[in-house]
Amino acid sequence: AQSVSQHNHHVILSEAASLELGCNYSYGGTVNLFWYVQYPGQHLQLLLKYFSGDPLVKGIKGFEAEFIKSKFSFNLRKPSVQWSDTAEYFCAVNPRSNDYKLSFGAGTTVTVRA
Amino acid sequence: DVKVTQSSRYLVKRTGEKVFLECVQDMDHENMFWYRQDPGLGLRLIYFSYDVKMKEKGDIPEGYSVSREKKERFSLILESASTNQTSMYLCASSRGSPYRGEQYFGPGTRLTVT
Repeated sequence: AQSVSQHNHHVILSEAASLELGCNYSYGGTVNLFWYVQYPGQHLQLLLKYFSGDPLVKGIKGFEAEFIKSKFSFNLRKPSVQWSDTAEYFCAVNPRSNDYKLSFGAGTTVTVRA
Repeated sequence: DVKVTQSSRYLVKRTGEKVFLECVQDMDHENMFWYRQDPGLGLRLIYFSYDVKMKEKGDIPEGYSVSREKKERFSLILESASTNQTSMYLCASSRGSPYRGEQYFGPGTRLTVT
């Protein structure tokens, strides 16, 4: 069975600091990759996605993620965080051979201090 | 915008009660999903449906059943609620392949079983 590992449980940053959240998955086949975000009191929503092509994908609010196939990784980055980026971030993996299955990591809580 | 609504934001039930959680989506999506979200565990798939009256078990179906009589509505049923079913329940919907991993979530129902 595939699994998704997020490296950090809780990250605390100051505004303007850079953010990188690690995500690794264990699945040998072709996958679609996602980052979802849940802001306090809001719905879980899609932040960015990778299906194919350029392994560096850009999402909303200045976030980007890089797919490194050889490392089974899909790390999320933002060069300069804002207080409004405080949220919980989930990495998710969707194998193309069984694309009903979306496996989530445990989530990383990001707290940005003003 | 896709809208996924859930019948209750908060629900308190007693052990042994039958519990119904309702979910409605307004974008004619063929796929609908029920997850539970627990701290440190991310989201775990309970059941999904790929068409009216069609359903498949997810990773943790025990103690749950589902019903999809209309395309826009997907219900989760706890036949006899137990305290270990206290959790946040999220409903989601998506288009067909290859976009099944791109899911739209409802606000969640926080269920407490006492």
